[in-house]
Amino acid sequence: GAGVSQSPRYKVAKRGQDVALRCDPISGHVSLFWYQQALGQGPEFLTYFQNEAQLDKSGLPSDRFFAERPEGSVSTLKIQRTQQEDSAVYLCASSLLPQDIGQQETQYFGPGTRLLVL
Amino acid sequence: AQSVTQLDSQVPVFEEAPVELRCNYSSSVSVYLFWYVQYPNQGLQLLLKYLSGSTLVKGINGFEAEFNKSQTSFHLRKPSVHISDTAEYFCAVNNYGQNFVFGPGTRLSVLP
Repeated sequence: GAGVSQSPRYKVAKRGQDVALRCDPISGHVSLFWYQQALGQGPEFLTYFQNEAQLDKSGLPSDRFFAERPEGSVSTLKIQRTQQEDSAVYLCASSLLPQDIGQQETQYFGPGTRLLVL
Repeated sequence: AQSVTQLDSQVPVFEEAPVELRCNYSSSVSVYLFWYVQYPNQGLQLLLKYLSGSTLVKGINGFEAEFNKSQTSFHLRKPSVHISDTAEYFCAVNNYGQNFVFGPGTRLSVLP
């Protein structure tokens, strides 16, 4: 079956613009994660959804970052009033089970959206 | 809090030579350990994971890793690398009630 897809693959924004990044997880996967990967770094956790519920948003760097998954499938990460420090690759991952019983579960990653804020 | 250290940011190695990519973690409780590979312009792909049981874990593409609890390490090895193994490799740790924590990555460059 299809893997995790993300769109757009590349996004250039002017400082102050709002952007929306989309993630289509694997069908039937309960858990969905967003990560931010700065250049030369490993992915850093942003937020976690179990179905439509956002259970953990402790990694969101500021209140300019907002994520939703209204129907428990597709998710959107929105960044308002983008800043240069927001430039990074934003990765989405999904896994089959809820995180509280599936710590050992493999996370399946999308190709990422590369955001460049000028 | 969990953390992951990958001391080698870059590892160049000749084709068909063996390679070891080092990973050390810190955690106050038992953890699950993972190695992911990231090819250029692609998402992360799971290589292998340690959950419990045998400390030697075999993964895809001929990679294996050994969990050493006393040294809090989970080093990744391959006896003979190919050009196609050139990629970024990430070690990650996870346990109950926590989120995945990734290391900074090691860039493996296989030279002809």
